Amino acid sequence: DAGVIQSPRHEVTEMGQEVTLRCKPISGHNSLFWYRQTMMRGLELLIYFNNNVPIDDSGMPEDRFSAKMPNASFSTLKIQPSEPRDSAVYFCASSLGRAVEKLFFGSGTQLSVL
Amino acid sequence: SQQGEEDPQALSIQEGENATMNCSYKTSINNLQWYRQNSGRGLVHLILIRSNEREKHSGRLRVTLDTSKKSSSLLITASRAADTASYFCAKETSGSRLTFGEGTQLTVNP
Repeated sequence: DAGVIQSPRHEVTEMGQEVTLRCKPISGHNSLFWYRQTMMRGLELLIYFNNNVPIDDSGMPEDRFSAKMPNASFSTLKIQPSEPRDSAVYFCASSLGRAVEKLFFGSGTQLSVL
Repeated sequence: SQQGEEDPQALSIQEGENATMNCSYKTSINNLQWYRQNSGRGLVHLILIRSNEREKHSGRLRVTLDTSKKSSSLLITASRAADTASYFCAKETSGSRLTFGEGTQLTVNP
């Protein structure tokens, strides 16, 4: 298995632009997580899906952020409009079942908003 | 704010020495996990210890959990240069929420 696949690996954009981050979880995993990592705030859970349904989106910072999981093999995290404070590494992770007992992380997307 | 504190923030040791990292938390947990992150990479799961367990081993890793003190420790024995990474504890609380600590940066010098 290729593991959790995220794209793009790096994204540089200008303030106000729309950014879409993509994630393909490990086949057979039915829980998917989006985390954000910054030096100041560490790793923050943004949203958690189980069987393609959002279970906990309390970490989504504001309405500029949205996440979708149209099927079991694909998820997107969209920021519109982007702001410099959104600059961070965004990780997608997946796990088997509902329990958060062993997350498999992708390599992350390094987002820079200028 | 982060659920739990880790110390030390940074640890530098010589190859062959043991490394101990600690993690504390504030609320009750279902389990506690340790992850490793190499620079520029995603996190990798190392070991999980449940709230009713006190100690667990995996290869050169030993994890302890003291629920009365709300703390855990990760011991890496006979460290190698390849163990250089950041190590994070993660607490599963009610609602299937996994919250990560701030991490310990471990440097193992050859």
